[in-house]
Amino acid sequence: GAGVSQTPSNKVTEKGKYVELRCDPISGHTALYWYRQSLGQGPEFLIYFQGTGAADDSGLPNDRFFAVRPEGSVSTLKIQRTERGDSAVYLCASSLTGGYTEAFFGQGTRLTVV
Amino acid sequence: KQEVTQIPAALSVPEGENLVLNCSFTDSAIYNLQWFRQDPGKGLTSLLLIQSSQREQTSGRLNASLDKSSGRSTLYIAASQPGDSATYLCAVRRNSGNTPLVFGKGTRLSVIA
Repeated sequence: GAGVSQTPSNKVTEKGKYVELRCDPISGHTALYWYRQSLGQGPEFLIYFQGTGAADDSGLPNDRFFAVRPEGSVSTLKIQRTERGDSAVYLCASSLTGGYTEAFFGQGTRLTVV
Repeated sequence: KQEVTQIPAALSVPEGENLVLNCSFTDSAIYNLQWFRQDPGKGLTSLLLIQSSQREQTSGRLNASLDKSSGRSTLYIAASQPGDSATYLCAVRRNSGNTPLVFGKGTRLSVIA
């Protein structure tokens, strides 16, 4: 596709459930980022992939959060035992490696934990 | 730790005015700085990217400047229009090409017709 695609656009889940959020980056972009944005705040970094490997996962808040990118393209953010505090918009971005490193964002997934 | 601050938090102007949004960052060792626009309930749209070696970038009615040594950037919007109403976010990247962006909280702009 032409841009970064995130699915689903909205997800409502019950406290304690497991959720998966998907990100399809721009074709050819080897760098992929996950961010989380709460209301009235700027996006906060969660994890960054370079190819298939997580180059920096220092932003993951705890071990309930995990992300994979097995083939270096699509990425899945996984949240176990969801809590109400996990409710936020989860944003994915991708960029080329080196040189011109403009980041392009998807529309986000709004996660609501009830 | 890099911190990004955007002032003002909110701004309301009449249509046609020129305006300036401010962004400051605490660590001047940045690779580049990017300005984004975010409409309510939407993702981020990239507006301008300034590399650390550049002083400004222009796109249409938008002009972004960068003063790396003082840790400041400004986004100038000329002849504002109601369609410019959105939240504008500034983000900096550490001194490496593919490190994560660090964002400010944004400036919420309203342009009144």
